[in-house]
Amino acid sequence: EDKVVQSPLSLVVHEGDTVTLNCSYEVTNFRSLLWYKQEKKAPTFLFMLTSSGIEKKSGRLSSILDKKELSSILNITATQTGDSAIYLCELDSSYKLIFGSGTRLLVRP
Amino acid sequence: KAGVTQTPRYLIKTRGQQVTLSCSPISGHRSVSWYQQTPGQGLQFLFEYFSETQRNKGNFPGRFSGRQFSNSRSEMNVSTLELGDSALYLCASSFYSRQGSHNEQFFGPGTRLTVL
Repeated sequence: EDKVVQSPLSLVVHEGDTVTLNCSYEVTNFRSLLWYKQEKKAPTFLFMLTSSGIEKKSGRLSSILDKKELSSILNITATQTGDSAIYLCELDSSYKLIFGSGTRLLVRP
Repeated sequence: KAGVTQTPRYLIKTRGQQVTLSCSPISGHRSVSWYQQTPGQGLQFLFEYFSETQRNKGNFPGRFSGRQFSNSRSEMNVSTLELGDSALYLCASSFYSRQGSHNEQFFGPGTRLTVL
């Protein structure tokens, strides 16, 4: 059965710290992996990763897919309180869309 | 460009009733996907509609159904409501079908359904 596991479940850091969030998966037919940030409202898209393995970057955020390890990491450098949110990863597998349970990040001043 | 809109934003129903939720995608987007989000189960995919056809379906019972109109607006219907259907229902739109292409989707604010 396809599954997506995110770790850690929650994380508390201080402003300026660097964090690494992990998304591991077991899927039958990988197509893409997407990262979202969810604050109080609906998720907002961050990155989409495919089997090309190309790293994606946007400001202080970056993400890469490791095909061998069947996982992806989301890095946030120089964290700010505005980074506090739930970070979700979504797998597209044979046209089934599966979300991980999310990592709740809290950045303290 | 206006974002994805969902109506109503909040809804309270009782067990056994049915409910219809509406989603208007971003102009030009033809794909609408529906999700259920609960504290216990997280975010779960319900189904996707593209050009008025259901393209993908998650693991939900037949009480959950949907449709899409020619203007890409989509409705989701839940019949014979159960307490466990209480959740935030999100819809997301994208230009291409999730089945055919990898592409970004934009979420609406959600409809919070409470079943008493």
